[in-house]
Amino acid sequence: QAVLTQPPSVSAAPGQKVTISCSGSSSNIGNNYVSWYQQLPGTAPKLLIFDNNKRPSGIPDRFSGSKSGTSATLGITGLQTGDEADYYCATWDYGLISVVFGGGTKLTVL
Amino acid sequence: EVQLVESGGDLVQPGGSLRLSCAASGFTFTSYAMSWVRQAPGKGLEWVSLITGGGENTYYAESVKGRFTISRDNPKNTLFLQMNSLRAEDTAVYYCAKEGGYCSSISCYEYWGQGTLVTVSS
Repeated sequence: QAVLTQPPSVSAAPGQKVTISCSGSSSNIGNNYVSWYQQLPGTAPKLLIFDNNKRPSGIPDRFSGSKSGTSATLGITGLQTGDEADYYCATWDYGLISVVFGGGTKLTVL
Repeated sequence: EVQLVESGGDLVQPGGSLRLSCAASGFTFTSYAMSWVRQAPGKGLEWVSLITGGGENTYYAESVKGRFTISRDNPKNTLFLQMNSLRAEDTAVYYCAKEGGYCSSISCYEYWGQGTLVTVSS
């Protein structure tokens, strides 16, 4: 059972917008920065968002991140079929003294 | 160009041991924390362990504490994971990952290797 809670799946049509939630607690999201990763089928994860809402160089601005209290959200606009992937949130947990990941959300672009 | 290349994955019997390596290049290895993250077949990502740049501090997931040991050889730009008392539930692809130099959080991994498969089975 993952420490951070994500919906198992989300779906939307091409061109639409989707959000993926990540729920935690005061020992993790509530007091630390959140990162988001995209994992395309058969590949290693790729950093999409760091420090809650910043994008690494090369990540399009269709991807955005936000955090409020003990929850974080990944937003993707202008959905493309190439966005079909698994998405994971991650942060540090002060209680567990470890990095924790969400269980992952599978995005389907219908 | 940053490269992380894992090796050492294999089929091993329950109770056995294995040592994974991650050869790093393209950055100043000693300046960055490194981690191991694993992914069981069809499952999500699970953080395993982290070591600071100088090797002075290490952290482990509860599921591997006391069985796995992370270490690094900075002159050789190589990260290791010694895995003992292996169990079936340790079967996974093991990725090494580099801390993001521009990140404020220790959970920010800027680069990942391609992964190496560890299978624990009799």
